[in-house]
Amino acid sequence: QVQLKETGPDLVQLTQTLSITCTVSGFSLTTYNVHWVRQPPGKGLEWMGAMWNGGGTDYNSAFKSRLSISRDTSKSQVFLKMNSLQTDDTAKYFCARQGFAYWGQGTLVTVSS
Amino acid sequence: DIQMTQSPSSLPASLGDRVTITCRASQDIGNYLRWFQQKPGKSPRLMIYGATNLAAGVPSRFSGSRSGSDYSLTINSLESEDMAIYYCLQHNEYPLTFGSGTKLEIK
Repeated sequence: QVQLKETGPDLVQLTQTLSITCTVSGFSLTTYNVHWVRQPPGKGLEWMGAMWNGGGTDYNSAFKSRLSISRDTSKSQVFLKMNSLQTDDTAKYFCARQGFAYWGQGTLVTVSS
Repeated sequence: DIQMTQSPSSLPASLGDRVTITCRASQDIGNYLRWFQQKPGKSPRLMIYGATNLAAGVPSRFSGSRSGSDYSLTINSLESEDMAIYYCLQHNEYPLTFGSGTKLEIK
């Protein structure tokens, strides 16, 4: 069955870099796109970017040049990296398969000063 | 960016009620509109795709409709399990954008 699982740090220091891995199973990254969405505590959903099945990427310009998405198809993993973290980057970070019928459980990241 | 204006932000309702949540798109998005349900501590659940199509496993009391740039999610005969936050998402143009959410709660 289709599954996605995010793994990452619980706590990141202010101005440091966040790295989260989305490990998928039940489908191929070369067939389906994978999206990243985040949700600050008590707030709404925000689309961050996507890894296309062909290997390209797209980013929400709100994150300017802070965000990078990559993948390792041999490991069925998609990676999110975001630098220069601020306290308002505290959020639960989700990966979701193309179509948004399948989501990971999310990983809550707190940015600490 | 396309703005999705969602209303109301909060919707008190009674069990058995019929309720409607609306998203208005700032630009044409065709039928590239999805609705999600999110319960506390959980990931969003896809409810409606293509503006009007019920996702797999979603009860038939849920329905989606479109009138011009207004997209609606209607729930007939509310049940306690429907109490959640609902979001719309436009995926016609990047960046994808979500509505701000509607919290459906028991009156």
